[in-house]
Amino acid sequence: GAVVSQHPSWVICKSGTSVKIECRSLDFQATTMFWYRQFPKQSLMLMATSNEGSKATYEQGVEKDKFLINHASLTLSTLTVTSAHPEDSSFYICSASGLAGGHGELFFGEGSRLTVL
Amino acid sequence: AQSVSQHNHHVILSEAASLELGCNYSYGGTVNLFWYVQYPGQHLQLLLKYFSGDPLVKGIKGFEAEFIKSKFSFNLRKPSVQWSDTAEYFCAVYMTTDSWGKFQFGAGTQVVVTP
Repeated sequence: GAVVSQHPSWVICKSGTSVKIECRSLDFQATTMFWYRQFPKQSLMLMATSNEGSKATYEQGVEKDKFLINHASLTLSTLTVTSAHPEDSSFYICSASGLAGGHGELFFGEGSRLTVL
Repeated sequence: AQSVSQHNHHVILSEAASLELGCNYSYGGTVNLFWYVQYPGQHLQLLLKYFSGDPLVKGIKGFEAEFIKSKFSFNLRKPSVQWSDTAEYFCAVYMTTDSWGKFQFGAGTQVVVTP
């Protein structure tokens, strides 16, 4: 099946620094990618929808300047957590929907666990 | 506003018992429906999906789900669970119109199967 890869899977950073997380679709072209955040014992929360070549659409309550999303190619989307603070510590997951997946099907990355000290 | 609700947050049952997890959504347009499973320490995996056709969908590992359009429901079932079915289960709905589409997840149901 289709594969989506995230990197890094774990990252620890100091407060105030920025962290970039990559999401790649390895064997299909992902026209749309989604970024989620998962708090412990809670469901996935959609942060933003990213379409290749255009600006991301952010969900209500998600700061655009805080969580920068770039979807420059059909196989890569990046999420940059700018000036990270401890409350940004979370599990970030990307998913991709594209030609190989069929309409409306998602393939998930393994997730990236961010810890901000 | 569109929403997806899962009826139970925690379910504990014994091996060989039957499992049914409820999922309801509120959206009057076209939907695609999914159930995902997340085993401890692992990422989400697709159990089954419904796009169109037969509303009774069979997935992996003996799971099935039935789409009842009139009730806006997509309940997940398994006749006889195993210890290895211990996991968190998420219902997801892809809501679509001609110009946009959006995934929405339920809050998840933690299922614990005891030996």
